[in-house]
Amino acid sequence: GAVVSQHPSRVICKSGTSVKIECRSLDFQATTMFWYRQFPKQSLMLMATSNEGSKATYEQGVEKDKFLINHASLTLSTLTVTSAHPEDSSFYICSASDREVHSGEQYFGPGTRLTVT
Amino acid sequence: AQKITQTQPGMFVQEKEAVTLDCTYDTSDQSYGLFWYKQPSSGEMIFLIYQGSYDEQNATEGRYSLNFQKARKSANLVISASQLGDSAMYFCAMREPGSARQLTFGSGTQLTVLP
Repeated sequence: GAVVSQHPSRVICKSGTSVKIECRSLDFQATTMFWYRQFPKQSLMLMATSNEGSKATYEQGVEKDKFLINHASLTLSTLTVTSAHPEDSSFYICSASDREVHSGEQYFGPGTRLTVT
Repeated sequence: AQKITQTQPGMFVQEKEAVTLDCTYDTSDQSYGLFWYKQPSSGEMIFLIYQGSYDEQNATEGRYSLNFQKARKSANLVISASQLGDSAMYFCAMREPGSARQLTFGSGTQLTVLP
């Protein structure tokens, strides 16, 4: 089955620093990757849609300059949280869709738990 | 207006019993897809089942089946013979047409299976 990896799984950083999260599709080509944020006991909130080779499309209310997304290849997308603050602490999940799969099913990474101190 | 509604924040079921998790959706499109995902406490999202809007048969995957009622715009998940390992958060999601293939998620249902 399609596998998406995400690294790191857990990160603690100090306020004001930047953190990069990687999302990789291991056995398929992902022309589109998605980044979600999830607060405890809540649903997934789409932050941005990332297409290979083009700029990401951000959802309303998501700061582009704070959450930098790069999708440089068909298997890798990165999310950089710049100048992180405690309110950025959250669970970040990426997903990827395989264009060969008609249903449009998204394959999710295991998530990254970010804690900003 | 919410596109995906899950009205049960929490559900309890006895082990080996069946349970139905409700999901209703709202769309004006004719072509769409409906998904159910399971999220255990570890956080990973596990795909369970998919139903296309044009599929005439209800989708089934092992102990999971989707009760698709198109006219009512509902896509309830039925889990048969519940197991303790089924305790998790369950999310219903809808994919609407378009190249972006974005999913819209419901608020989720926390299922607890009792021994």
